[in-house]
Amino acid sequence: GESVGLHLPTLSVQEGDNSIINCAYSNSASDYFIWYKQESGKGPQFIIDIRSNMDKRQGQRVTVLLNKTVKHLSLQIAATQPGDSAVYFCAEKEGGSYIPTFGRGTSLIVHP
Amino acid sequence: DTGVSQDPRHKITKRGQNVTFRCDPISEHNRLYWYRQTLGQGPEFLTYFQNEAQLEKSRLLSDRFSAERPKGSFSTLEIQRTEQGDSAMYLCASSPTPTPSSSPLHFGNGTRLTVT
Repeated sequence: GESVGLHLPTLSVQEGDNSIINCAYSNSASDYFIWYKQESGKGPQFIIDIRSNMDKRQGQRVTVLLNKTVKHLSLQIAATQPGDSAVYFCAEKEGGSYIPTFGRGTSLIVHP
Repeated sequence: DTGVSQDPRHKITKRGQNVTFRCDPISEHNRLYWYRQTLGQGPEFLTYFQNEAQLEKSRLLSDRFSAERPKGSFSTLEIQRTEQGDSAMYLCASSPTPTPSSSPLHFGNGTRLTVT
């Protein structure tokens, strides 16, 4: 199937470890941030989002942290599983816009 | 399945031919987006609709590209006189008109276009 992982930053972890995927953004006017997971041959799948009035949000096994001072976003995945192997994209949306802009992505490889 | 549906999944065409892709969004979503993705890159915005109105187009959307959403439901993306550089995954996404003002996009599995 199609691979979207070519030439991407790669994070390799062992099953059961915690994973941290980082994303830097440049637009200080961005007020909404989203993490997506993309498996080979599929479209991006929504994981979790966060608005700029928050600095942390938790979901099931995932946590997003937002540091507006340094314009940095991270996705933490607890107890990483082989099914978490995919490319992860952060996206940002400027206030007043309806169009998310995607970053380049990080390939997560989980070894059993 | 009530997700975003795209057809076809794969299209191989010769340079210079026209192609048309279809997207059926989630039924209660009134915003519909088209993005393009090449290998190793994140999706790049092409255009979006609110209901039947096309509200914004990217500079990436040359005059060979046209998108429609005639009844505010499904959308089509047509590429005329295809070029090898058009080879990419074309992704469709939809979202509701959110309250509060932000809501994630829900993507289909895309149409993979190969221009030979």
